[in-house]
Amino acid sequence: EIVMTQSPATLSVSPGERATLSCRASQGIGTNLAWYHHKPGQAPRLLIYDASTRATGIPARFSGSGSGREFTLTISRLQSEDFAIYYCQQYNNWPPAWTFGQGTKVEVK
Amino acid sequence: EMQVVESGGGLIQPGGSLRLSCAASGFTVSNNSVNWVRQAPGKGLEWVSVVHTGGSTYYADSVKGRFTISRDNSKNTVFLQMNSLRAEDTAVYYCARDSRFGEGVLGTWGLGTLVTVSS
Repeated sequence: EIVMTQSPATLSVSPGERATLSCRASQGIGTNLAWYHHKPGQAPRLLIYDASTRATGIPARFSGSGSGREFTLTISRLQSEDFAIYYCQQYNNWPPAWTFGQGTKVEVK
Repeated sequence: EMQVVESGGGLIQPGGSLRLSCAASGFTVSNNSVNWVRQAPGKGLEWVSVVHTGGSTYYADSVKGRFTISRDNSKNTVFLQMNSLRAEDTAVYYCARDSRFGEGVLGTWGLGTLVTVSS
């Protein structure tokens, strides 16, 4: 199983500031990585796929980078709707055995 | 607009069975891969199972042999039959369609249905 590890567990940021989230894979996964935004009681939302490509309708303040084992999600100029939990997920295995990180909670400082 | 709506959750005793449904609209389940993902209380997301376009099915090791994913094309619905339920299966279960961006990229999610396994 590919284990995904996110850091930090909680990130306290002021509105308008930048947030940088990290995700590490236990083995190389190329760029087969997605990022999701999730608020309690809501459906998770796809933000980034293939490590750096924004999904349809996702604002440009969200950017992803990395390959192999180390990945980063950057949110520039945080807005109120951005305070949520963010998950990374690898989809590199075949047969499918997708795995998620444990999540990073972005909270208001 | 593509949507999925989960139903069928509830309180069930350990060892019991439950069947979850994922009703799709705006797309056909026969032409799309559909996954189940769960979130235990206070925990992160865990992928559970997928039924591919061609009908192949795959499962996480934690549910293999106990859960069965299937679909009814006439109802445009995907099911998750859960048997021999354990306390650790307690979670919100989400249905998620693979996006057009690739296998495993989960683009359309529902709001989930809560399964509680407890005596």
